[in-house]
Amino acid sequence: EPEVTQTPSHQVTQMGQEVILRCVPISNHLYFYWYRQILGQKVEFLVSFYNNEISEKSEIFDDQFSVERPDGSNFTLKIRSTKLEDSAMYFCASISRVTDSPLHFGNGTRLTVT
Amino acid sequence: AQRVTQPEKLLSVFKGAPVELKCNYSYSGSPELFWYVQYSRQRLQLLLRHISRESIKGFTADLNKGETSFHLKKPFAQEEDSAMYYCARPNSGGSNYKLTFGKGTLLTVNP
Repeated sequence: EPEVTQTPSHQVTQMGQEVILRCVPISNHLYFYWYRQILGQKVEFLVSFYNNEISEKSEIFDDQFSVERPDGSNFTLKIRSTKLEDSAMYFCASISRVTDSPLHFGNGTRLTVT
Repeated sequence: AQRVTQPEKLLSVFKGAPVELKCNYSYSGSPELFWYVQYSRQRLQLLLRHISRESIKGFTADLNKGETSFHLKKPFAQEEDSAMYYCARPNSGGSNYKLTFGKGTLLTVNP
């Protein structure tokens, strides 16, 4: 069964540095998402992406965050200047269509900001 | 915005005991609802969805519109069921489709 893949599995960075989290969604999927899970807390929606543009973003997704689909296969989340509170698991997800579709999640990237 | 409430953060049962993980949702017509499971250090996986009405790994969930609930049940819990369970529902539609998750319930099945 095809899977969403995310790299790296763990990223450690210093406060103020830029990080790029990478995702390869399932190949025929059209809708892409980033979710975040701070340790011990619930899974929170960050952003959805369709047709090469952001379709919705949460209040968490401020100007420090951006997403791109640079080459038709990768889907990236960039944090320009990381803060300690950005430390979390970041999950990428995708679906083929929005009708009755569950999201397919990647294994996540654990981001640790020191 | 649609809300999903999971009132129990932690639930601990013994192997072989029945288990029920509670989920309530804010009313809105005919909702779609999902249960996702996250085993230790693994991805979120779809466990079941209410429209399919199937049983996965012995779990079932019935949509109760009167009580606006979608509780997850299993008659005899197994140790391998220990995991984090999330109830989820979609918000909006079209290109704004996204899932909103409850806070999750950590199920521990003791031997």
